[in-house]
Amino acid sequence: KAGVTQTPRYLIKTRGQQVTLSCSPISGHRSVSWYQQTPGQGLQFLFEYFSETQRNKGNFPGRFSGRQFSNSRSEMNVSTLELGDSALYLCASSLVVGGQGAEAFFGQGTRLTVV
Amino acid sequence: AQTVTQSQPEMSVQEAETVTLSCTYDTSESDYYLFWYKQPPSRQMILVIRQEAYKQQNATENRFSVNFQKAAKSFSLKISDSQLGDAAMYFCAYRSAGKALVFGKGTKLTVNP
Repeated sequence: KAGVTQTPRYLIKTRGQQVTLSCSPISGHRSVSWYQQTPGQGLQFLFEYFSETQRNKGNFPGRFSGRQFSNSRSEMNVSTLELGDSALYLCASSLVVGGQGAEAFFGQGTRLTVV
Repeated sequence: AQTVTQSQPEMSVQEAETVTLSCTYDTSESDYYLFWYKQPPSRQMILVIRQEAYKQQNATENRFSVNFQKAAKSFSLKISDSQLGDAAMYFCAYRSAGKALVFGKGTKLTVNP
């Protein structure tokens, strides 16, 4: 069974631009979560989608948005990029949101650098 | 809000020895799950072990075991017979029904040959 696939692996963008990251979950998993990882702040939760609906949302500005498609694939968008958005963005998939089957399996991440 | 605390930013262990990583959490929920994740330099987060709060028996996965103390809200990870490949960042995580995973800040484990 294929794991969680994130594309692209690396990205360099300029301040003010926007970026879209993609995540394909494990087959059969309907929940997709996104995390931002930085050396200073650690792992911070962005949002979680289940069956195309946002179920949980972290404390990030509206420049960060996401969506989930009917095949459970998810995209995350960041508009008006700032230098502080440079981070490793991790996507995780799980069968359900909480409860049995809630363990999350992670992709390899997308390293975003904003210059 | 639930919080997860890992009080040891860094730990080191000799190859073949045993090391214990600490984790405490704060919650008012009664039904939740706890996890340990490993993140090697390759940066992919790997699930090491999980524990259901309703289970009194401590989870074990080969050389990895936990000491789950529900009343004390403590969830430590013991790695036996440490190997060089165990060197990584280890994150403790908490999840309750319908909520997102909450991670600790991590513990960097070094394994000395």
